[in-house]
Amino acid sequence: TAGITQAPTSQILAAGRSMTLRCTQDMRHNAMYWYRQDLGLGLRLIHYSNTAGTTGKGEVPDGYSVSRANTDDFPLTLASAVPSQTSVYFCASSDSEGGVQFFGPGTRLTVL
Amino acid sequence: LAKTTQPISMDSYEGQEVNITCSHNNIATNDYITWYQQFPSQGPRFIIQGYKTKVTNEVASLFIPADRKSSTLSLPRVSLSDTAVYYCLVGDIGGSSASKIIFGSGTRLSIRP
Repeated sequence: TAGITQAPTSQILAAGRSMTLRCTQDMRHNAMYWYRQDLGLGLRLIHYSNTAGTTGKGEVPDGYSVSRANTDDFPLTLASAVPSQTSVYFCASSDSEGGVQFFGPGTRLTVL
Repeated sequence: LAKTTQPISMDSYEGQEVNITCSHNNIATNDYITWYQQFPSQGPRFIIQGYKTKVTNEVASLFIPADRKSSTLSLPRVSLSDTAVYYCLVGDIGGSSASKIIFGSGTRLSIRP
């Protein structure tokens, strides 16, 4: 079982460009999450989805958007990247909202 | 979601038992306590979860006193590979609003030979 996959592994992006980070899970979990982790710090929740078709804002949602068209996929889009969005992005899923989370390997994004 | 407080860092030696305590004074009746481990360049990984008294699995034990205002993650006979950041989270696993999930900065555990 793959669990959660994220793509790309890493990316260098010019400021002002848009980008979509992909996340796919094969555990049929209802809830999915996107976090960012800046160097040396903890994880901060960006957006989440309790079930397919619904999304919600986390602690730091500005500059990001998400969609949840189906159970397995939860893409994160940066419409116009800024250098402060340089971070490692982790996708996670859980069987239920607030349940034990399983994390993907992360995407390292650098915005120049 | 209850706010948690844990030490920023801890050091220990191989073969020792390590105890990391997390304070959660405002824990609610339905809240569970969950610990995650994160290695560099990886996503966090679930370690253990409990509600009260003691829970033990193949990697750790979790001690929760009767008032549940704190919890202690115990790692028996640590090795160098236990060097990681450990996060304590408190919430209702069946109903916590995901928007309130807070990982915090965790405890950076360093194990020396």
